[in-house]
Parts: sequence; C-alpha cells; structure tokens
Amino acid sequence: EAGVTQFPSHSVIEKGQTVTLRCDPISGHDNLYWYRRVMGKEIKFLLHFVKESKQDESGMPNNRFLAERTGGTYSTLKVQPAELEDSGVYFCASSQDGRGETQYFGPGTRLLVL
Amino acid sequence: SQKIEQNSEALNIQEGKTATLTCNYTNYSPAYLQWYRQDPGRGPVFLLLIRENEKEKRKERLKVTFDTTLKQSLFHITASQPADSATYLCAHPRNSGYSTLTFGKGTMLLVSP
Repeated sequence: EAGVTQFPSHSVIEKGQTVTLRCDPISGHDNLYWYRRVMGKEIKFLLHFVKESKQDESGMPNNRFLAERTGGTYSTLKVQPAELEDSGVYFCASSQDGRGETQYFGPGTRLLVL
Repeated sequence: SQKIEQNSEALNIQEGKTATLTCNYTNYSPAYLQWYRQDPGRGPVFLLLIRENEKEKRKERLKVTFDTTLKQSLFHITASQPADSATYLCAHPRNSGYSTLTFGKGTMLLVSP
C-alpha cells in the first residue's frame, strides 16, 4: 500500500511568487491534515479536511494560504503571494479514523522563499 | 495555549544502553500522548500512543509512561542501537475533541557503536 505522497519535494521561489503544494493521502483515508515546520520551531497544524470539507482551518496563518481538496482525494495548498516567513517544511498527513490517533505523514515539501 | 517541551539538547548514548527522553506539557490535560520518530528529510513516523488512564505502554524495545500529575511522559528505548538514532517527537491533541495535533520540537538521539 502506498503511503502519503507529496509533490514537489523541494521548491525554491522568489518573494511574491505563487507556489502550489500537492498531497496524495493513503487511499481510503477521509481525514487529511496539513502541518508546517518553520526552522527552529515545532511542527504546527494548519488545516484539517474530512473528505472535501474543511473541518478545522484555524491554523492557517493568513489569507495568502488556500487549501483545497476537490473530490475528497488529493489536496493542494497554494501560497500566493509567498513571503520570506513562509519558508519551511510543509507536511501532509492522513488518517482513516476521525480521532486522528494514527496519522501517517508524507515526506514533506521543503519550501524556500528568497 | 498548549505547549509541549522536549529537551532540545541532543542525547548521546552508547549502543546497548537505555535511552530516556522526556516530554512535558502545560496548560492542558490531553486524552492521550503520541510519540513519533523522524529521520532527516523524512516525515514523522508514528510509534506509540498512550492514553491518560494508562500508566505505561510497551512495544518491542520501546516503553512509554504517562504521568498526568507531573504532566509528563517518558519515552524509553532499551538495548539501543545505532539505527535508533533519530529525532523523537512528542505530540498530543490540540484541544479536547480535536484530532489535530500539537507537537514538541523533538529531541535528537544519537546512539554510538
């Protein structure tokens, strides 16, 4: 069974540009989470989808971030326009149960904004 | 807000010894705590979950304790091996009824042959 996959693995962009990150959860997992780790800080929650609906988006830093999960399968996280402080590692996780007790993480996308 | 504290200094031990990592949490009484392993360039990998009504849980060479009075969890790796070298993260639910997680910064473990 394939794990959670994320694309791209790395992205280097200039301030003001747009970047779109993609996450493919484990097949059949209705719950999809986005987290971010900024250098020197802990991993922080961004957003939680249940199927195609946003269950909790209280961790999204501002309106430059837009997450979608059309059809309840893969998800995208778009940052527009990117700022220097958006640099970090963006992780996606999925789980089958709604309690989130076993979350499977992807390898992350390393974003560097110059 | 909830905060998880883990020793930021790397823990260096010799192969065969027991590694003990500490996780302290504040401002919240979580229903459970989780421990993850993270290798460089990889995402966290779930290891163990311990509930608030459990004092101790074991899985092979791993043991986790949960002290709700001290607001602390200890993570032990017995008979440690160089392959156990990684960063270990502690996490708990962000809030009661939520499935999203709050993480600590993690503690790096280095096991020398």
